[in-house]
Amino acid sequence: DQQVKQNSPSLSVQEGRISILNCDYTNSMFDYFLWYKKYPAEGPTFLISISSIKDKNEDGRFTVFLNKSAKHLSLHIVPSQPGDSAVYFCAASEETSGSRLTFGEGTQLTVNP
Amino acid sequence: SAVISQKPSRDICQRGTSLTIQCQVDSQVTMMFWYRQQPGQSLTLIATANQGSEATYESGFVIDKFPISRPNLTFSTLTVSNMSPEDSSIYLCSLGGGENTEAFFGQGTRLTVV
Repeated sequence: DQQVKQNSPSLSVQEGRISILNCDYTNSMFDYFLWYKKYPAEGPTFLISISSIKDKNEDGRFTVFLNKSAKHLSLHIVPSQPGDSAVYFCAASEETSGSRLTFGEGTQLTVNP
Repeated sequence: SAVISQKPSRDICQRGTSLTIQCQVDSQVTMMFWYRQQPGQSLTLIATANQGSEATYESGFVIDKFPISRPNLTFSTLTVSNMSPEDSSIYLCSLGGGENTEAFFGQGTRLTVV
């Protein structure tokens, strides 16, 4: 039972354009959502998060949008840079679970110069 | 944020043997977790490492296969026991600050079982 899904295994965009990575979830108890970036041979690096009481959170070039009714969130990167090329994981947790995370399958983002 | 040191970074092991992975943090943390990332798949939580008591395992993971120790608030180990090629994965230590805070990850241990 995949509670967090990233349906696009890969995404390719041109440098300077917007990258949009999508994530869907099924567990209505999730109330905290995170995005991580992962390079090969490294652990995931936290990027940005959003609480269920918000619908948008912005940090520099990264913005996360949450649509609770649709159980959908997205990560926007603008402008995209070649250094953003990595695997991006969406993750979610329940209020009472502390930092126990359920991850999506990941999306490989490639930003072409 | 805390600095996480995970050892070994990679290993190649014979089937039937066991490997113990260490996770050292440079400050005391309340919550530590162990995850697995099988090839081409997502990260899956194995267990929560509880300080001074038995770890709490997720569905599909058992203590006999993945014994975990957490003797203090800065250190934990995960042992992968009686390994088979299906155990070939990246194993990651992570720590979190509590409810609705981000979890931080070590660099991972890439395990190959031959």
